[in-house]
Amino acid sequence: HLVQAGGGVVQPGGSLRLSCAASGFSFSGFGMYWVRQAPGKSLEWVAVISYDATKKYYTDSVKGRFTISRDNSKNTLFLQLDRMEPADTAVYYCAKVLLWMNGGMDVWGQGTAVTVSS
Amino acid sequence: QSMLTQPPSASGTPGQRVTIACYGDSSNIGSNYVHWYQHLPGRGPKLLIFRDNERPSGVPDRFSGSKSGTSASLTISGLRSEDEADYYCATGHDPLSGPVFGGGTKLTVL
Repeated sequence: HLVQAGGGVVQPGGSLRLSCAASGFSFSGFGMYWVRQAPGKSLEWVAVISYDATKKYYTDSVKGRFTISRDNSKNTLFLQLDRMEPADTAVYYCAKVLLWMNGGMDVWGQGTAVTVSS
Repeated sequence: QSMLTQPPSASGTPGQRVTIACYGDSSNIGSNYVHWYQHLPGRGPKLLIFRDNERPSGVPDRFSGSKSGTSASLTISGLRSEDEADYYCATGHDPLSGPVFGGGTKLTVL
């Protein structure tokens, strides 16, 4: 079970922090994704973090602007969104990794809407 | 990475069998697992099929997946009204590359 919080409306260049609280599974044992869906578009992976936070990867369009992190003591995943652009407008989902080397996401959050607009 | 190609829409009547295709190439489907997701409005996506044809526990056996070469398909048998949703295929790339999603297929149950 993943419960998301954060999101909202922010101006271009602004910042936002999303959180994702996990329960019902051993959070510290699994990698986690952030995936987004822009209005009228398909799903797009944003970032992924390994179970121990030693590995973090980002899609090219958010590198240097977004930061994925986790607090295993609090079973919580985060996504820090900085220098935001209108193209970042989307519903953001957190998801648990099923197979680290072969993808797949077997538990998803409910999604949180992010709008970048002046 | 190139995106996977899905038909934008599909439809069927209750009880029918519907198949949704997903087309890729040797760099995605041809060399990686395919996973399928069901996405209902206002909710997070749900994993239906993983590793080409395996079902997570709790997913009815009405849902099945297959793969051949650079294409994959999701088949829904005994179509039900609650199956009306968007369906996405995705390849299981390593985390450095990230998964590639299809454009999605909107399934309508007539």
